[in-house]
Amino acid sequence: DTGVSQDPRHKITKRGQNVTFRCDPISEHNRLYWYRQTLGQGPEFLTYFQNEAQLEKSRLLSDRFSAERPKGSFSTLEIQRTEQGDSAMYLCASSGQGRYEQYFGPGTRLTVT
Amino acid sequence: TQLLEQSPQFLSIQEGENLTVYCNSSSVFSSLQWYRQEPGEGPVLLVTVVTGGEVKKLKRLTFQFGDARKDSSLHITAAQPGDTGLYLCAGPDSWGKLQFGAGTQVVVTP
Repeated sequence: DTGVSQDPRHKITKRGQNVTFRCDPISEHNRLYWYRQTLGQGPEFLTYFQNEAQLEKSRLLSDRFSAERPKGSFSTLEIQRTEQGDSAMYLCASSGQGRYEQYFGPGTRLTVT
Repeated sequence: TQLLEQSPQFLSIQEGENLTVYCNSSSVFSSLQWYRQEPGEGPVLLVTVVTGGEVKKLKRLTFQFGDARKDSSLHITAAQPGDTGLYLCAGPDSWGKLQFGAGTQVVVTP
C-alpha cells in the first residue's frame, strides 16, 4: 500500500490556461474526494466519487471545473480558463467502503499568474 | 451546514510545555477526526473518535470527544519540535464528505 499519490506536486500556469491534475487513491478504496485548501483555511470539499460515479459536487465547483474517475481507479480534476482565484492547494483523499476515515495525498499546489 | 470552530488559531510554546486545542460545533457529529498537516503536504490522519466521552491516546497526544458529540479536544504533553504543524479537526456529513475547521497552527520551539 503506497498511499494516495497526486501529480503534479506543483503547477504554475498563466491565467486562461487549462490544467489537469491526477490522483491515484489507495487501491482498495472505492471512495475518492477532491478538496481545495487556501492559506489559513481548512480543506473545502469540491466533489467525490463512489467507484466511477460522481455523487456530489460543491457549489464551489464552477462550470470551469470538471472531474472524472473513468474506471473507478484514478481520478482527474481539470480546470479550464484558470483564474488567479483558482490558486490553491488541491487535495485528493480516499476512503474504504463504509469508513469515514479519509487518507490524503500530498496535494497539488496550483499558482495562477 | 455543520460548522467546526477551532481555537486557538495559533499557539506558540516552548519544548516540554503542554498544550490543548479545541474543536467545537453546535451540531452533533457521528465521529470526529483529527489531522496534522505540515507545510506543502496533505493532512495526515491522527485519530478518529466515535463515542461520546471517548478518550484516545496516541503517545503524548490525548484526544477527547465530548459527551454530546459536539466538541473535541487534543492535548499534547511535553511538546516537541516535531509536533509543530497545523492541527485540523473534521467531521463527516451523512454522505461521508468531511467538513473541516480552519485549524490551529502549533509552533514548538526548542
